[in-house]
Amino acid sequence: EDKVVQSPLSLVVHEGDTVTLNCSYEVTNFRSLLWYKQEKKAPTFLFMLTSSGIEKKSGRLSSILDKKELFSILNITATQTGDSAIYLCAVTSFQGGSEKLVFGKGTKLTVNP
Amino acid sequence: DARVTQTPRHKVTEMGQEVTMRCQPILGHNTVFWYRQTMMQGLELLAYFRNRAPLDDSGMPKDRFSAEMPDATLATLKIQPSEPRDSAVYFCASGTPGRDYEQYFGPGTRLTVT
Repeated sequence: EDKVVQSPLSLVVHEGDTVTLNCSYEVTNFRSLLWYKQEKKAPTFLFMLTSSGIEKKSGRLSSILDKKELFSILNITATQTGDSAIYLCAVTSFQGGSEKLVFGKGTKLTVNP
Repeated sequence: DARVTQTPRHKVTEMGQEVTMRCQPILGHNTVFWYRQTMMQGLELLAYFRNRAPLDDSGMPKDRFSAEMPDATLATLKIQPSEPRDSAVYFCASGTPGRDYEQYFGPGTRLTVT
């Protein structure tokens, strides 16, 4: 059965800190890994990673994938209170003739002023 | 400002009743996803469509759930009969051609089955 495990489950930091969120996976026929941010309502897309070792960056957020060790990290530098959210990792794979998408349970990040 | 819309935003119903949730994807998006989110299970993919054709609905309990796209501007998720364990937030999301998973989520329908 496909698994996506995120750690830590929750994290509390102070503004200005740097955080690293982890996502490990076990799937058959991996295709891509995705990161989303969920504040009070619906998730919003952050990154899609398909190749190992290539960093994706958007402002203070960056992410990288290691397909050999089957994990990805999401880094947030100089955190702000607006970064407080649940960060979701998801993995897509191709199985049984169709694409599958499995989400992790998320990491709840709280950034205190 | 293009966005995915979902109706209703909230629904309270009694066990055994039929529930229909509707989603209007962003114009031009050809992939539509239905998700369910609960505290216990997190976000689960129920079904998704590409060009209105169902590609995968293995995450959906088939005996009571059904998903359709009668046209490119409307996706529906139906539960019949509903059960208390169906209480959750149901999200619809849509994606652009070739970039399916850069999804735009709707605001969700919060369903409570008593």
